[in-house]
Amino acid sequence: AQSVAQPEDQVKVAEGNPLTVKCTYSVSGNPYLFWYVQYPNRGLQFLLKYITGDNLVKGSYGFEAEFNKSQTSFHLKKPSALVSDSALYFCAVRDLRGAGSYQLTFGKGTKLSVIP
Amino acid sequence: SQTIHQWPATLVQPVGSPLSLECTVEGTSNPNLYWYRQAAGRGLQLLFYSVGIGQISSEVPQNLSASRPQDRQFILSSKKLLLSDSGFYLCAWSLWGQNTEAFFGQGTRLTVV
Repeated sequence: AQSVAQPEDQVKVAEGNPLTVKCTYSVSGNPYLFWYVQYPNRGLQFLLKYITGDNLVKGSYGFEAEFNKSQTSFHLKKPSALVSDSALYFCAVRDLRGAGSYQLTFGKGTKLSVIP
Repeated sequence: SQTIHQWPATLVQPVGSPLSLECTVEGTSNPNLYWYRQAAGRGLQLLFYSVGIGQISSEVPQNLSASRPQDRQFILSSKKLLLSDSGFYLCAWSLWGQNTEAFFGQGTRLTVV
């Protein structure tokens, strides 16, 4: 089965500094990787995905992610953090399940805190 | 454009009472539908998914069940709630395929007392 791991429970960064939220993956075949953000008591919002092509994927709200096949990583990045970026971030991978369907398997999440 | 509606937003239910959470999707046909549970504001656990009307797959054994009576309607139910059923329940939909993202509803905070 496919899986992702988020090695950091929490990341703190000062406002205006670059941020990185880490994700590593374990897949057989081609990886299909996703990042989501969740604000308190809300559903998850899709940020970006890697399917194929350029290793640097650009997404919503100024976020981007770098796919690195040799390191099996898909880290989320932003050049300049905002206080409003403080939230819970999830990395996910598509996983083939029964009935020929593909499910999203999520990491445990990383809490990002941007300090003013 | 597609939208997903999930209700209610919050629910407090006594132990042993029934449960019905509803989710509907607009603007697409034959979506894949999912129910997730999030405990303690962290990891998401896939509970059920459906690839079509009347087709339900369960990921984990539990006190809950799901039904899909119409193409764009997905219902999560329980006959008798347990304390351990408390959590944040999220409905989601996606198109079929490995490279498609899922879109989530706003969630239901269920507290069993």
